[in-house]
Amino acid sequence: EVQLVESGGGLVQPGGSLRLSCAASGFTFSTYDMHWVRQATGKGLEWVSAIGAAGDTYYSDSVKGRFTISRENAKNSLYLQMNSLRAGDTAVYFCAALGPIIIWGQGTMVTVSS
Amino acid sequence: EIVLTQSPGTLSLSPGERATLSCWATQSVNNNYLAWYQQKPGQAPRVLIYAASIRATGVPDRFSGSGSGTDFTLTISRLEPEDFAVYYCQQYDRSPWTFGQGTKVEIK
Repeated sequence: EVQLVESGGGLVQPGGSLRLSCAASGFTFSTYDMHWVRQATGKGLEWVSAIGAAGDTYYSDSVKGRFTISRENAKNSLYLQMNSLRAGDTAVYFCAALGPIIIWGQGTMVTVSS
Repeated sequence: EIVLTQSPGTLSLSPGERATLSCWATQSVNNNYLAWYQQKPGQAPRVLIYAASIRATGVPDRFSGSGSGTDFTLTISRLEPEDFAVYYCQQYDRSPWTFGQGTKVEIK
């Protein structure tokens, strides 16, 4: 079965760090560009970061310098290291594969609050 | 940055009616790398259409996508009760990958 499963979300204080993971199965992970997208409660979808199949990385202006995307093809896994977290980063975070087919995970909730 | 604008913001229709949703881009979306998603409350987005006009696996044929360049359309030929939801377009041509603000299709 083709799927993406996120994990690692939770409650963190402002200024704290969190690492999200995304486990892929059922497709050739290493050949896909992988993305992180987030959605605050009641809001639209916001693209966060991407990593190409070749390892090139991209970030939205809102997270540049604070978030780091990475991948481990041998483990079919995608990661998002989030540092210096702010209240405005509170959202459900989805991982997505954009390639010959498009695949999304179910999301993991990140809450930044004291 | 490619900005996507969806119209209308809300569409009020009855089951059985036809829905036409628009997505305009400020720059040409190369290779028609434009996707449409359906999202219901508490759920992840579900891809309906990719490459502007290709239906994703399992998507009913009442959903169709068309357009190229800067103008794209999602059409639902006859609305079923389960189709009332929010719909987003997304360009995956180049960074930053961007989404439209969404169109809510509600029951009239």
